[in-house]
Amino acid sequence: GQNIDQPTEMTATEGAIVQINCTYQTSGFNGLFWYQQHAGEAPTFLSYNVLDGLEEKGRFSSFLSRSKGYSYLLLKELQMKDSASYLCAVTASGGSYIPTFGRGTSLIVHP
Amino acid sequence: GAGVSQSPSNKVTEKGKDVELRCDPISGHTALYWYRQSLGQGLEFLIYFQGNSAPDKSGLPSDRFSAERTGGSVSTLTIQRTQQEDSAVYLCASSPRPPGLNTEAFFGQGTRLTVV
Repeated sequence: GQNIDQPTEMTATEGAIVQINCTYQTSGFNGLFWYQQHAGEAPTFLSYNVLDGLEEKGRFSSFLSRSKGYSYLLLKELQMKDSASYLCAVTASGGSYIPTFGRGTSLIVHP
Repeated sequence: GAGVSQSPSNKVTEKGKDVELRCDPISGHTALYWYRQSLGQGLEFLIYFQGNSAPDKSGLPSDRFSAERTGGSVSTLTIQRTQQEDSAVYLCASSPRPPGLNTEAFFGQGTRLTVV
């Protein structure tokens, strides 16, 4: 099976930077997704990493290390609207490439 | 429509009753997924459709759960003889290509099922 681990909750201050980590153990790793989910809403796609390194997209960046089974999502210049749950999902041949999600990290941004 | 549509948005049912949850994927999307999200839990995979067939239904928790997809479009998830532990948000997602091809999934807003 696949195992994905994320912190349950994080808090940060508006304007700051926060890093949300995700570690995984899987067979036949293919790629890693990050999704954002506001309370009561649908998850929405943020990023996809398949190769090692950093992918930057505006205020959000995602990093992957395949050898370490590790990813992080970096959020810069935090805004109140960034308060949400952030879901890490892995695809792997061991799971028929169907996205397997972690439990999500609830981020609370305060003034 | 422009996005994935699920109905109903909320469903309260009595224990032992059957329920049907509906998903309208984005037009042209061949892959369709059902997930379940319980309070404080991650998204739990239930079943995956490619076209009308279900290559992977390994996540269905019991034989009370079934799903079908018709016309390569609409899907229904049926839960028979509902139990309180079935209470959760049921999320549907669709994707233009099969999994594993750098393909994001587009999610609906879910059906919140409460079994009383």
